[in-house]
Amino acid sequence: DAGVIQSPRHEVTEMGQEVTLRCKPISGHDYLFWYRQTMMRGLELLIYFNNNVPIDDSGMPEDRFSAKMPNASFSTLKIQPSEPRDSAVYFCASGFFRDGPYGYTFGSGTRLTVV
Amino acid sequence: GENVEQHPSTLSVQEGDSAVIKCTYSDSASNYFPWYKQELGKRPQLIIDIRSNVGEKKDQRIAVTLNKTAKHFSLHITETQPEDSAVYFCAASNKYGNKLVFGAGTILRVKS
Repeated sequence: DAGVIQSPRHEVTEMGQEVTLRCKPISGHDYLFWYRQTMMRGLELLIYFNNNVPIDDSGMPEDRFSAKMPNASFSTLKIQPSEPRDSAVYFCASGFFRDGPYGYTFGSGTRLTVV
Repeated sequence: GENVEQHPSTLSVQEGDSAVIKCTYSDSASNYFPWYKQELGKRPQLIIDIRSNVGEKKDQRIAVTLNKTAKHFSLHITETQPEDSAVYFCAASNKYGNKLVFGAGTILRVKS
């Protein structure tokens, strides 16, 4: 099991550019989560999907952020246009739920720097 | 919604001593309580979890206790070692059981 796979590991971009982060969840997991981690705010849940359908996007900071999950094995988080305050580590996590959460696993994260 | 408070925010112990991190949660319907360890530059990794049908769980030097009445749970690390130094996060599932809410984290430093 390769775990949750994220790409790229590091991204440096200029303010105003579009940034796309990618995630491949663990096969068989029906939930996928996007988090942002900063020193000031800790781990923030941005959005999560169940069976490829967005369930709760209340954590998405603003309209510049969007996320998609076109199939069970792929999700993207897009920031357009990017701003310096978007600099953070973005984690994807996946899990499955029956009578409670199971297998909740984080990817290695994407460190985003917007200059 | 669910809210998880974690204390202390930083903890410094001498190698060999015990460390205790405490969390409280607000939603009495929460039924799953994991703990994650995050080393510098790495992903959060699950180290131990407990479900609401038990009060305590132990795995070698790590144990977690749960008090559902008081709505708090704790992580206990005995015989701490320098490699235990990391940020530790507690979490609780929301009442629907489909989302984890995380505490703010505790920076644990083990001095040798």
